[in-house]
Amino acid sequence: QKEVEQDPGPLSVPEGAIVSLNCTYSNSAFQYFMWYRQYSRKGPELLMYTYSSGNKEDGRFTAQVDKSSKYISLFIRDSQPSDSATYLCAMARGSTLGRLYFGRGTQLTVWP
Amino acid sequence: SAVISQKPSRDICQRGTSLTIQCQVDSQVTMMFWYRQQPGQSLTLIATANQGSEATYESGFVIDKFPISRPNLTFSTLTVSNMSPEDSSIYLCSVTSETGDNQPQHFGDGTRLSIL
Repeated sequence: QKEVEQDPGPLSVPEGAIVSLNCTYSNSAFQYFMWYRQYSRKGPELLMYTYSSGNKEDGRFTAQVDKSSKYISLFIRDSQPSDSATYLCAMARGSTLGRLYFGRGTQLTVWP
Repeated sequence: SAVISQKPSRDICQRGTSLTIQCQVDSQVTMMFWYRQQPGQSLTLIATANQGSEATYESGFVIDKFPISRPNLTFSTLTVSNMSPEDSSIYLCSVTSETGDNQPQHFGDGTRLSIL
């Protein structure tokens, strides 16, 4: 079993839709949770960074962490065509100065 | 966050040859890492580049195949040695630029490598 599972999609939604992206994990030692956005032919760009359980909001993006269920989510409100990208979840144990564990990424297309 | 530049951005190489990838950061950074991103697979950490000492390799990766240098706090290289088609992948450099513990990693745009 992989430590981080993420449905690769692809996911296709109309402009303005609410998008829900999810990852599950098996290692209860993970404490730091990140979402990266990767456009084609670009490197991953950090979107959201959270510690432990709870919610974090940044503009149209909301990250949720449920450590009891080992489940994290990224919600995108009022999705735009510019949100079309691959979204990667990543996790770390005691310190993000160490290894990150990534999901495979979910490919999202927002059509106008 | 720091600006991370990787060179080359892409290359096509013959099997059996070696290629050195450079990662340059515009400011001093605490940590530098090298990842591999294969099609349809998650990013996998190859090694942590340590300034002034040997890199720390993850399970499945060895120094003879992926020698790494980090001569200072802004620069690192990854060499892919004796390449085979299985080495075709995207190689990414990441850094933690902020001081203090538990800072997130930021990535360069990667080097797209194809082996014929």
